[in-house]
Amino acid sequence: GQQLNQSPQSMFIQEGEDVSMNCTSSSIFNTWLWYKQDPGEGPVLLIALYKAGELTSNGRLTAQFGITRKDSFLNISASIPSDVGIYFCAGQVKNSGGSNYKLTFGKGTLLTVNP
Amino acid sequence: DGGITQSPKYLFRKEGQNVTLSCEQNLNHDAMYWYRQDPGQGLRLIYYSQIVNDFQKGDIAEGYSVSREKKESFPLTVTSAQKNPTAFYLCASSLGGGAYEQYFGPGTRLTVT
Repeated sequence: GQQLNQSPQSMFIQEGEDVSMNCTSSSIFNTWLWYKQDPGEGPVLLIALYKAGELTSNGRLTAQFGITRKDSFLNISASIPSDVGIYFCAGQVKNSGGSNYKLTFGKGTLLTVNP
Repeated sequence: DGGITQSPKYLFRKEGQNVTLSCEQNLNHDAMYWYRQDPGQGLRLIYYSQIVNDFQKGDIAEGYSVSREKKESFPLTVTSAQKNPTAFYLCASSLGGGAYEQYFGPGTRLTVT
């Protein structure tokens, strides 16, 4: 199946620092989504991107849909302790045929914020 | 409040027993999904349903079964044929019709001993 390479696998930062993580693929994507998952909970949708080059913000979070349609990044500015969690990228592959609703997920970036 | 509910939050079963996980949504979404999550892994798709009375296998359907008799409900049965059933199970739904944003329930942690 399709694969998403998400990096870094984990990050340890100090409160107040900015964070950047990204996802890349060899496939072209129609859609990029970014989720955050707290321990023992379901992922929560943070940002959805639908157009190549699109840059979207949600508070301190900013995500971009890469021009090549094969990558996306998520930035978190001025991190705070509650940013701790696992961040997942997910995408819908272009021309996936009858499986139009299926998403491919990255393996996640574990973020730890030291107060 | 609109949302997705999964019950129970924690489930314990003996090996060899079938177990059914509940997923209900009141978002009026057409599509529903079941994922499995193991430590350090991404989400793997078990089954999905784009419309009532229809469902398709995902990437790891072996040892699982589903039904979609009502729009709001998409229960997952973990059968005794599933070799490694202990995992965190997540249900999700999406509007369908080309809308790809999936919304997740709180998950059920299944432990089989």
